Amino acid sequence: DAGVIQSPRHEVTEMGQEVTLRCKPISGHDYLFWYRQTMMRGLELLIYFNNNVPIDDSGMPEDRFSAKMPNASFSTLKIQPSEPRDSAVYFCASSLALPGLNSYNSPLHFGNGTRLTVT
Amino acid sequence: AQKVTQAQTEISVVEKEDVTLDCVYETRDTTYYLFWYKQPPSGELVFLIRRNSFDEQNEISGRYSWNFQKSTSSFNFTITASQVVDSAVYFCALSVGLRWAGSYQLTFGKGTKLSVIP
Repeated sequence: DAGVIQSPRHEVTEMGQEVTLRCKPISGHDYLFWYRQTMMRGLELLIYFNNNVPIDDSGMPEDRFSAKMPNASFSTLKIQPSEPRDSAVYFCASSLALPGLNSYNSPLHFGNGTRLTVT
Repeated sequence: AQKVTQAQTEISVVEKEDVTLDCVYETRDTTYYLFWYKQPPSGELVFLIRRNSFDEQNEISGRYSWNFQKSTSSFNFTITASQVVDSAVYFCALSVGLRWAGSYQLTFGKGTKLSVIP
């Protein structure tokens, strides 16, 4: 089975530009998560969706960040306008259920990440 | 608030040595889950293990073993006879708030970078 697919793998952009990161979760997974990884802060949960509905976006750092999930097989994370401090690796992950809840086999499945560099 | 501390930022060992990665967590919840993830140099994150707060049995999977001790709020990870392919960043994580989706939190430690030298 295909895993979580993220695109692009690398993104280099100039400050002020709009950036859109894309994610295709594993088919059948009801939960989708966006994480950001930086050296200083480690892995941070930005937002997660359940059945395409945003449940908790309290991790989204600013209004410049927005995420959508128009259908069960696609999600986007958009940064507009981008800033150098947004440079990080952004991971998308999906799972059948909330990791830790009920099924033993519902760990997070991560994509390969998008490495964003804002100059 | 939940917190996961991985005090070891970087560890280097020589191949075939045993190595233990420490993880200390903080939570007021009585029901919680602990995880370990591996991030090899290629960058992806790979699930290794999940353990719930009611099960303190240690687990062994091949060269990997995990020691969960509620008394010290620790969930340490040991690699026996380390190999170069074990070189990666390892993340410990804690999930709480499982009663309903709106309260869910999964908190990661900052990771421990393990380098296994041939």
